[in-house]
Amino acid sequence: DIQMTQSPSSLSASVGDRVVITCRASHSVTSYVNWYQQKPGKAPKLLIYGASTLQTGVPSRFSGSGSGTDFTLTINSLQPEDFATYYCQQSDISPHTFGQGTRLEIK
Amino acid sequence: EVQLVESGGGLVQPGRTLRLSCAVSGFIFDDHAMHWVRLAPGKGLEWVSGISWNSGFIDYADSVKGRFAISRDNAKKFLYLEMNSLRPEDTAVYYCAKGKQLLSGLGRHGLDVWGQGTTVTVSS
Repeated sequence: DIQMTQSPSSLSASVGDRVVITCRASHSVTSYVNWYQQKPGKAPKLLIYGASTLQTGVPSRFSGSGSGTDFTLTINSLQPEDFATYYCQQSDISPHTFGQGTRLEIK
Repeated sequence: EVQLVESGGGLVQPGRTLRLSCAVSGFIFDDHAMHWVRLAPGKGLEWVSGISWNSGFIDYADSVKGRFAISRDNAKKFLYLEMNSLRPEDTAVYYCAKGKQLLSGLGRHGLDVWGQGTTVTVSS
């Protein structure tokens, strides 16, 4: 199975900051990486699929990049509603494994 | 409105069986792969199982392979997860989720619609 390793595991930032979360796959997953946001008690929300395509309705301050084994999620100008846990997932090869998550907290 | 509604969770003893259901509405169910994902207390998301639009491709996480069985009824617009030989480590909120991509195995474009989740607690 492909392992997805996210870093950092947790992150403190302030409103207005730019944050970058990285995800590394144990083997190439071409460009089939998705990013999700999850808030406590809520279902996950798809933010980005195909490494860089923004899901409909997601603000443009979210962006994704990468291919092969290394991927990043960037959030520009953090807003109060962005504080949540973020997960990467590879959907190139089954099982479609998730990263362990990055908890983004308010500094 | 696109909607997924899970049911069937509850408290169950180790070794017992539980069947989760996911009722679907608001989209062409037959066109999309469907998945189960879980969130255990204090842990991260774990992909559990997926089934293609026509049930032709099915896969499971290693942690549940041989114990869980996914199925779907396209006529009734339901997704199921039969969970056998349950263990305390299966305790989690279970979500059903819709694959975004049309008619393509388990899909490669992520999971774009999620249910609210149903809680499974395995304990004696």
